[in-house]
Amino acid sequence: QQQVKQSPQSLIVQKGGISIINCAYENTAFDYFPWYQQFPGKGPALLIAIRPDVSEKKEGRFTISFNKSAKQFSLHIMDSQPGDSATYFCAAITSGTYKYIFGTGTRLKVLA
Amino acid sequence: EAQVTQNPRYLITVTGKKLTVTCSQNMNHEYMSWYRQDPGLGLRQIYYSMNVEVTDKGDVPEGYKVSRKEKRNFPLILESPSPNQTSLYFCASSWTVAAEAFFGQGTRLTVV
Repeated sequence: QQQVKQSPQSLIVQKGGISIINCAYENTAFDYFPWYQQFPGKGPALLIAIRPDVSEKKEGRFTISFNKSAKQFSLHIMDSQPGDSATYFCAAITSGTYKYIFGTGTRLKVLA
Repeated sequence: EAQVTQNPRYLITVTGKKLTVTCSQNMNHEYMSWYRQDPGLGLRQIYYSMNVEVTDKGDVPEGYKVSRKEKRNFPLILESPSPNQTSLYFCASSWTVAAEAFFGQGTRLTVV
């Protein structure tokens, strides 16, 4: 019940295309859903986050779509660029338990 | 500059030899946590701390110890390392659990 299932494991997209990464969860107590971006040799860095009272959040080319009834949330990267090539992690947090649950990661490669 | 500093960045050790990985943050964050990153498994939380002298187990605490005697420091201790603890370790800090987490650069540990 504490798991977050992330897909796909890897993704190749042409420059200018849309990258979509999906995450699903079971625990309805999760109340914070961030996405992290990690470049090789670096620690993860927060990209964008959403709370369950909002169905969509957009920051530049990055959008989180949140479907509370389906217990799913996804990251959309519009106009994907080679510089977006990185590993992306979704996560889910229950504030009351202080635990951070990450997905297994998606390695994105954007072809020039 | 706001940062989380881990040391060392790379460490090769032998089975059973106690080691400590240090973590320090300069943002006065209350929440700190340790993760291990393994291929195909994503980031898994080892231990977390809600504040000074308050720590609790994450999903994979076996074989690890932590302490939080000062707000800025959160060392990870491996009393008797084993080869299955070979991994990439990250320390992170944030104001609270449901807030942007700032990650260190990582410590690549090899236990032979």
